[in-house]
Amino acid sequence: EAQVTQNPRYLITVTGKKLTVTCSQNMNHEYMSWYRQDPGLGLRQIYYSMNVEVTDKGDVPEGYKVSRKEKRNFPLILESPSPNQTSLYFCASTVRNVLASPLHFGNGTRLTVT
Amino acid sequence: AQSVTQLGSHVSVSEGALVLLRCNYSSSVPPYLFWYVQYPNQGLQLLLKYTSAATLVKGINGFEAEFKKSETSFHLTKPSAHMSDAAEYFCAVSEGNNDMRFGAGTRLTVKP
Repeated sequence: EAQVTQNPRYLITVTGKKLTVTCSQNMNHEYMSWYRQDPGLGLRQIYYSMNVEVTDKGDVPEGYKVSRKEKRNFPLILESPSPNQTSLYFCASTVRNVLASPLHFGNGTRLTVT
Repeated sequence: AQSVTQLGSHVSVSEGALVLLRCNYSSSVPPYLFWYVQYPNQGLQLLLKYTSAATLVKGINGFEAEFKKSETSFHLTKPSAHMSDAAEYFCAVSEGNNDMRFGAGTRLTVKP
């Protein structure tokens, strides 16, 4: 089944403790992206990647890192999480770009930082 | 930079009634416009998209949207609401290959 898989679905952590949210897609998509969803703000793009070893900042990249060493994986890294990073995170992918074909989303990771 | 405004964070309709979810956009170039739907505990799914072909776009589940350049709008409609339409709906705009901006979302409630 074609899908975007995020793990974990729920994560509670403390300020400053490094964490990684994994994202994997099995559709051979070139484009991958991370969003955070907050009430009243919709989805805001954190980072995106047009292909392996190519990553770019979105609208809200501060406090996050990503890497794209393989086509299928696009992990989101929080080196020193803070409470303002408490949010619902989505990974998404598409064939080449957001115009050519729809974004496929994972089911989300709900992160709480205390 | 492009942006979208969704009017109304919550919309409530009765089953069988017309659904109208409003979206206005801002873009410096001819935009590409999208509506996505999010069901509880799931990621977003594409409902429909406008890419400068026909101004009336038909999507899945009986939804459609009309692109009106003069009003910079891309409102989503469905003639008759069903209970299964209850979800959050996001309008989005893109000017280029890698940049898509989402609205704040509208939560649709369908009353029996």
